[in-house]
Amino acid sequence: NAGVTQTPKFQVLKTGQSMTLQCAQDMNHEYMSWYRQDPGMGLRLIHYSVGAGITDQGEVPNGYNVSRSTTEDFPLRLLSAAPSQTSVYFCASSFGPSVDGYTFGSGTRLTVV
Amino acid sequence: GNSVTQMEGPVTLSEEAFLTINCTYTATGYPSLFWYVQYPGEGLQLLLKATKADDKGSNKGFEATYRKETTSFHLEKGSVQVSDSAVYFCALSDSGGGADGLTFGKGTHLIIQP
Repeated sequence: NAGVTQTPKFQVLKTGQSMTLQCAQDMNHEYMSWYRQDPGMGLRLIHYSVGAGITDQGEVPNGYNVSRSTTEDFPLRLLSAAPSQTSVYFCASSFGPSVDGYTFGSGTRLTVV
Repeated sequence: GNSVTQMEGPVTLSEEAFLTINCTYTATGYPSLFWYVQYPGEGLQLLLKATKADDKGSNKGFEATYRKETTSFHLEKGSVQVSDSAVYFCALSDSGGGADGLTFGKGTHLIIQP
């Protein structure tokens, strides 16, 4: 099925560990974004990309790293996990955000202990 | 900067009641406006959208009209069902192409009782 695929769905990390959240889309979308969702905070933009090789920071980028080597993939790296990074992470992609909005993945629930 | 304000709830209604969820925004340009819905344990799904002033977005019985004069995009449904229970997010994408993602409200938790 076409869409945005996120892996893993659940993850528990210890403080200081690193990991990569995977995101892949098969819709040939140029625009991709990562959000985190926290209770009472809505969704906040972490990083975004407007095409392969181009990334930029969003509202809450600290502690996260991204790269975009292909159109399809947009992994999010946690460099040294902290309890404050416990959250639900969503990846999203779009052909034209102003007209079409974004298509979201099903999310990764991350707990840092 | 851009911002979206919406009633946070929870909003509890009886089945077949009329629904309004208020959403107002501030934006530096001429944004596109969206409503997303999130069912328990799932990601966000686009519910409806409007890309310019006075546009009305509609889907699954839900409607919202882009009101530039009041900077609002209120979500309405004439008769809600139990299956409409979810969290609803109002969002905007600015006129710069939305490349830097969406700006979301904090979400409104809607509970429909039979």
